[in-house]
Amino acid sequence: KAGVTQTPRYLIKTRGQQVTLSCSPISGHRSVSWYQQTPGQGLQFLFEYFSETQRNKGNFPGRFSGRQFSNSRSEMNVSTLELGDSALYLCASSLALGGMNEQFFGPGTRLTVL
Amino acid sequence: AQKVTQAQTEISVVEKEDVTLDCVYETRDTTYYLFWYKQPPSGELVFLIRRNSFDEQNEISGRYSWNFQKSTSSFNFTITASQVVDSAVYFCALSEGETSGSRLTFGEGTQLTVNP
Repeated sequence: KAGVTQTPRYLIKTRGQQVTLSCSPISGHRSVSWYQQTPGQGLQFLFEYFSETQRNKGNFPGRFSGRQFSNSRSEMNVSTLELGDSALYLCASSLALGGMNEQFFGPGTRLTVL
Repeated sequence: AQKVTQAQTEISVVEKEDVTLDCVYETRDTTYYLFWYKQPPSGELVFLIRRNSFDEQNEISGRYSWNFQKSTSSFNFTITASQVVDSAVYFCALSEGETSGSRLTFGEGTQLTVNP
């Protein structure tokens, strides 16, 4: 079974631009979560989607948004990029909502904002 | 609010040594789940284990073992006879039952270096 895939793997943008990252979950998984990883803040939860609805949201500004499609694939968007948005963005999928479900992570998208 | 603390930022050992990675958590929920993940240099988080709050049995998987103690809110991870391939960053994480969905709160991570 294929794992979680994320595209693109690397991205370089300039301040003020916007970016869209994509995540394809493991087949049959319906929950997709996004995390931001930076050296200073560590791994932080962005949001979680299930059945095309955002179910949980972390403490990030409104510039960070996401969506989920009917096939469970998810995208996250960051508008008006800032230097501090440079990070590894990780996507995780699980069968369903709830902490009892194991989350499997993708390889991440490394975003650099210049 | 939930919190996970991994006090050891970096650990360096020589191959074949045993090493224990500490994890202390805080939560108000009675139902919660604890996880350990490994992050090699490639960046992908690899799932190692999940434990629920009602199961305090220790677990062993090959060279890996986990010690869960609710009395001290700890979920420590031991690697026996470490190998160079064990070098990675290890994260302990907490998920609070049903209320927070699948949301994981991570510790700061412990960088383990196993030298030949």
